[in-house]
Amino acid sequence: DAKTTQPPSMDCAEGRAANLPCNHSTISGNEYVYWYRQIHSQGPQYIIHGLKNNETNEMASLIITEDRKSSTLILPHATLRDTAVYYCIVTYNNDMRFGAGTRLTVKP
Amino acid sequence: EPEVTQTPSHQVTQMGQEVILRCVPISNHLYFYWYRQILGQKVEFLVSFYNNEISEKSEIFDDRFSVERPDGSNFTLKIRSTKLEDSAMYFCASSEVSPLRSPGELFFGEGSRLTVL
Repeated sequence: DAKTTQPPSMDCAEGRAANLPCNHSTISGNEYVYWYRQIHSQGPQYIIHGLKNNETNEMASLIITEDRKSSTLILPHATLRDTAVYYCIVTYNNDMRFGAGTRLTVKP
Repeated sequence: EPEVTQTPSHQVTQMGQEVILRCVPISNHLYFYWYRQILGQKVEFLVSFYNNEISEKSEIFDDRFSVERPDGSNFTLKIRSTKLEDSAMYFCASSEVSPLRSPGELFFGEGSRLTVL
């Protein structure tokens, strides 16, 4: 089953940064941290992934602690369209196993 | 932008009937997946497929389920003898990256909603 722990829900004000935490204390050295999101009932959408270093792309930033036991997904300027369920997944291959995720609600 | 397409968007069937859900993965992708999501629940892995054979399957993927790549573009999920509990959204996904190397992103379709009455 899922090897990650995420808060069930979070709120964020529109235009502010959304910081979504994830604990993965049992992560192995060859496992990556992936983030996906699911807007309403649409198919999951890839956001970002990383192994050790912090990563940034056009959608978000991923901050991984030095011991790799936790990470934070940062949406720098959240919009109403970022309201979704965000999934943190730990895997060494393409085998994405989804947990319950964090339901992020961006409020005006 | 290339995308994974799924048909039908919604299928209603009677319990005990067979259904086929179709997926057209992104054209240069070689790794294919089916997931399902029962309403209000999490996204669950069903099966992964590569080189015309199943790579991995979950306990949900019992003998009633099968997958096939009948031609160079389609990837299908067949469910025989459907049960009420098969009612769910079924998502197809594809990836161009070998899962045996380093992970790559999965591209998901918009899903096919199956309702079993």
